[in-house]
Amino acid sequence: AQRVTQPEKLLSVFKGAPVELKCNYSYSGSPELFWYVQYSRQRLQLLLRHISRESIKGFTADLNKGETSFHLKKPFAQEEDSAMYYCALGGGSEKLVFGKGTKLTVNP
Amino acid sequence: NAGVTQTPKFQVLKTGQSMTLQCAQDMNHNSMYWYRQDPGMGLRLIYYSASEGTTDKGEVPNGYNVSRLNKREFSLRLESAAPSQTSVYFCASLNTYEQYFGPGTRLTVT
Repeated sequence: AQRVTQPEKLLSVFKGAPVELKCNYSYSGSPELFWYVQYSRQRLQLLLRHISRESIKGFTADLNKGETSFHLKKPFAQEEDSAMYYCALGGGSEKLVFGKGTKLTVNP
Repeated sequence: NAGVTQTPKFQVLKTGQSMTLQCAQDMNHNSMYWYRQDPGMGLRLIYYSASEGTTDKGEVPNGYNVSRLNKREFSLRLESAAPSQTSVYFCASLNTYEQYFGPGTRLTVT
């Protein structure tokens, strides 16, 4: 069965500090991993996809198949990064399995 | 393009009442989805439609029905609302690998 675990419900950092949002997955096949973000009063949108291996808004995420992880990182957090972040797992179908989400607060 | 639209934005129902949540997309996407979002539970898939006329159950389908009458529209129906269905409902459509989400419907069942 596919499963996504985001161990932190809440994460609070200060502006300029590094931030890491954790995501672990369970899947026997070849995984596709995504990070979606929901800013306050906005709709959910795609932030990153593991295959693209690009940096979006300073965020990066590397798929580690050995540790079955896809952690989201940013070296210097900004106040506008405050949002709800969801890790999502796909693979083999068009359905995604979402984690329970991590609410990131970046304090001034 | 309006993207994915949902109506209504807010709704309050009494236990036992029925209602239909509407979703439409103008991006010519084949696949559409209904999710519910609950605090501490993340997004859970209710139903999924790969194409017009086809639907498939997701993780939490009980108490819901869906209709995919055409490529644009995918509706979600609550036949007899229960307080446990109080949630925010999101519709989404799929373009290749990216899901595009609607703004959500906040439903309260009293």
